[in-house]
Amino acid sequence: DSGVTQTPKHLITATGQRVTLRCSPRSGDLSVYWYQQSLDQGLQFLIQYYNGEERAKGNILERFSAQQFPDLHSELNLSSLELGDSALYFCASSVDRDRGHNEQFFGPGTRLTVL
Amino acid sequence: LAKTTQPISMDSYEGQEVNITCSHNNIATNDYITWYQQFPSQGPRFIIQGYKTKVTNEVASLFIPADRKSSTLSLPRVSLSDTAVYYCLVGEDSTLGRLYFGRGTQLTVWP
Repeated sequence: DSGVTQTPKHLITATGQRVTLRCSPRSGDLSVYWYQQSLDQGLQFLIQYYNGEERAKGNILERFSAQQFPDLHSELNLSSLELGDSALYFCASSVDRDRGHNEQFFGPGTRLTVL
Repeated sequence: LAKTTQPISMDSYEGQEVNITCSHNNIATNDYITWYQQFPSQGPRFIIQGYKTKVTNEVASLFIPADRKSSTLSLPRVSLSDTAVYYCLVGEDSTLGRLYFGRGTQLTVWP
């Protein structure tokens, strides 16, 4: 158990719909990251938040948005869903260090299926 | 972030030592080398990180030559439960946390 929680575990919805994925980071971690993993694209970085503010952006579509709240939990909003959005969505958290790589702790993921 | 190249897949048998090499020719002075492990339908898990020479922890060793253009993850005496995808990452992201995972190396351990 990494200490990162994600809800829901599974989500099935239809094309055109909107969903919200939720993530609670490990206690004390200020950074939250979102990743998408599909069979054909591998693990893709979407976005990072640090203490409520966006810090880095990766391959996140305009239909997707995220935010981090004052209690540090984060939500990833996916709208106008398409079949190709079906994937595993992971959230990770980390503490920030002065040097080196910030070890990321990944949650169990949310499996999204768009029908 | 520096791009990395690693084998797509490797096979081994239980009890053997496995070495997975990662090439990172464009590594920068401040970059660290980090390895993650991922089991099916689970999030990646940090294994080990190093900057130069050799780093060892309870699960793996990381060998980094002097020019730092490659690195080797060594898993001693693998078991069936080590079957997973292993990702090599290179970067210095104390201020920028995004990671480029690539496709990783699928290690399959056979009985």
